[in-house]
Amino acid sequence: AQSVAQPEDQVNVAEGNPLTVKCTYSVSGNPYLFWYVQYPNRGLQFLLKYITGDNLVKGSYGFEAEFNKSQTSFHLKKPSALVSDSALYFCAVRDETGRRALTFGSGTRLQVQP
Amino acid sequence: DARVTQTPRHKVTEMGQEVTMRCQPILGHNTVFWYRQTMMQGLELLAYFRNRAPLDDSGMPKDRFSAEMPDATLATLKIQPSEPRDSAVYFCASGLVLEARPRYEQYFGPGTRLTVT
Repeated sequence: AQSVAQPEDQVNVAEGNPLTVKCTYSVSGNPYLFWYVQYPNRGLQFLLKYITGDNLVKGSYGFEAEFNKSQTSFHLKKPSALVSDSALYFCAVRDETGRRALTFGSGTRLQVQP
Repeated sequence: DARVTQTPRHKVTEMGQEVTMRCQPILGHNTVFWYRQTMMQGLELLAYFRNRAPLDDSGMPKDRFSAEMPDATLATLKIQPSEPRDSAVYFCASGLVLEARPRYEQYFGPGTRLTVT
């Protein structure tokens, strides 16, 4: 079985400050990890993914994520938050067989205050 | 700019009525997913297809839900009869999978917001 945990329902950060949205996962074998963002009344948009290689993955809109195998984590980060980053963020995992659909976490609402 | 399209975007219906939601995956994508999103349950996978064949529909209530792909450009999700607890946003997503490689992204449509009264 594969699963994702996002321990924070909401993260509040001031504009210009760094942000971190946490994600831990459980999967058999090597994980394939993804972050998606959802703006109000919209579908999910792909941000970035970790497949293999460098543990720091860079994605869209200045976001990056750090893969840590020993801690089974894949935290989303951004050095300087923007008000427009306020949205719902989902972490997702797929096992290396590729036979399964992505399993999503419960989502973390990011609120960036001006 | 290729996108997944879903119709209708909003649907309000009365309990007991049949509801049909449609999805047009991105042209060339061979895998289609149906998800349901609610505040309480978050994102739940209902079913998914590869090359039009159902691979997994274990997340779908079998007695009232059905999912099909009549052709490669259309996926449908039907609820009959609908119940108030089916009120949710239903998302379709598509992806291109080659030889079961797990690295592909899933591209989501805008969703159908269903309200059953």
